[in-house]
Amino acid sequence: QSALTQPPSASGSPGQSVTISCTGTSSDVGGYNYVSWYQHHPGKAPKLIIYEVTKRPSGVPDRFSGSKSGNTASLTVSGLQAEDEADYFCSSHAGSNYVFGSGTKVTVL
Amino acid sequence: QVQLQESGPGLVKPSETLSLTCTVSGYSISSGYYWSWIRQSPGKGLEWIATIFHSGTTYFNPSLKSRVTISEDTSKNQFSLRLSSVTAADTAVYHCARYTGGNGFYFDYWGRGTLVTVSS
Repeated sequence: QSALTQPPSASGSPGQSVTISCTGTSSDVGGYNYVSWYQHHPGKAPKLIIYEVTKRPSGVPDRFSGSKSGNTASLTVSGLQAEDEADYFCSSHAGSNYVFGSGTKVTVL
Repeated sequence: QVQLQESGPGLVKPSETLSLTCTVSGYSISSGYYWSWIRQSPGKGLEWIATIFHSGTTYFNPSLKSRVTISEDTSKNQFSLRLSSVTAADTAVYHCARYTGGNGFYFDYWGRGTLVTVSS
């Protein structure tokens, strides 16, 4: 049972947008602006794509954007491309702990 | 480019101790940052296990703390995980990662992970 809840799957056609939610509590997502998102292609190392809710590391396309409202954070992938097909998971600082989401498989149709 | 690579036995017997090592390249672990272990179990998602700072300060997931040891070997630019009294529930892909700590609270580099199966 993951601490943060994500939908198991999401999909979109090339060029479309897809938004993934990440729901926690006031003790994690809602309590801190320290939500991060990771892209994981199976067999490869997970890659940081969003940190501190909205910030993108150098080299990450601006097609990836993050936001937060209350206890729910969201990742939007705009202009979907074939290489965006991957697993995405969120995470949040939670005081003396650190929690992750259950992961969402994004399929590019 | 910072790279991390996990290594260790892929099969551990129940009640024994799981031992993994993470070898870091492209950055000296004694230069700063925090170094962490995270696992992903089938059906349970990702779980943070433990973190070590280069000074030797350690942090643990409260649910695993009693069974976990994390240590570093700066001469080899490695850090390690030991998880004692393992059960089938400890079967997972174990990742090592670099953690920014208070400077953003995120993991900026990860290893690919290594599958550890607990079975007799």
